[in-house]
Amino acid sequence: QLQLQESGPGLVKPSETLSLTCTVSGGSISSSSYYWGWIRQPPGKGLEWIGSIYYSGSTYYNPSLKSRVTISVDTSKNQFSLKLSSVTAADTAVYYCARHEWERYMDVWGQGTTVTVSS
Amino acid sequence: NFMLTQPHSVSESPGKTVTISCTRSSGSIASNYVQWYQQRPGSSPTTVIYEDNQRPSGVPDRFSGSIDSSSNSASLTISGLKTEDEADYYCQSYDSSNQVFGGGTKLTVL
Repeated sequence: QLQLQESGPGLVKPSETLSLTCTVSGGSISSSSYYWGWIRQPPGKGLEWIGSIYYSGSTYYNPSLKSRVTISVDTSKNQFSLKLSSVTAADTAVYYCARHEWERYMDVWGQGTTVTVSS
Repeated sequence: NFMLTQPHSVSESPGKTVTISCTRSSGSIASNYVQWYQQRPGSSPTTVIYEDNQRPSGVPDRFSGSIDSSSNSASLTISGLKTEDEADYYCQSYDSSNQVFGGGTKLTVL
């Protein structure tokens, strides 16, 4: 059974870079047809897609975050990662990783990790 | 880029039927599949409808989805409401380079 697990610092200082990793277990990140995405949810608010990556390295980003986001994949470790630069308090959220086919649903989600931006 | 607009909240009594709408701001709702997710407090979202009207295995047939091109919207209908259906519901769709979520609807079953 495929599982995703987010990891990374729970506290990041303003203006610094948020870095998270999603580890895929029970299956290969190199499976064709699947994208690996990051979604976040600020406290008390809705879901926001951050971006997705294909195992080959093709990336797609939310236009509102594109200038600050980098998503990468490490197939040897079965992991993909998120970097969000120049963070502010508005980036405080639960960050989820998820698997999806582009035209279908996000069928496997991680449990989410809370990241707080504060000095 | 397009947006998906949902009502902030809906409420209904147990046993009744409720419909949650999701309106696409630009581009045809029929051009790209719509998904619906249920999210209970403290949990990750789970899919209740995909590809406009398909139910993943394990989702009861009380949940159904549809699209209406005339209003450029999608709808999630839950019949025979149960208290366990109380949750936040999100629609989601995509275009060639973006995935978009609606703002979410809080369903209260009282």
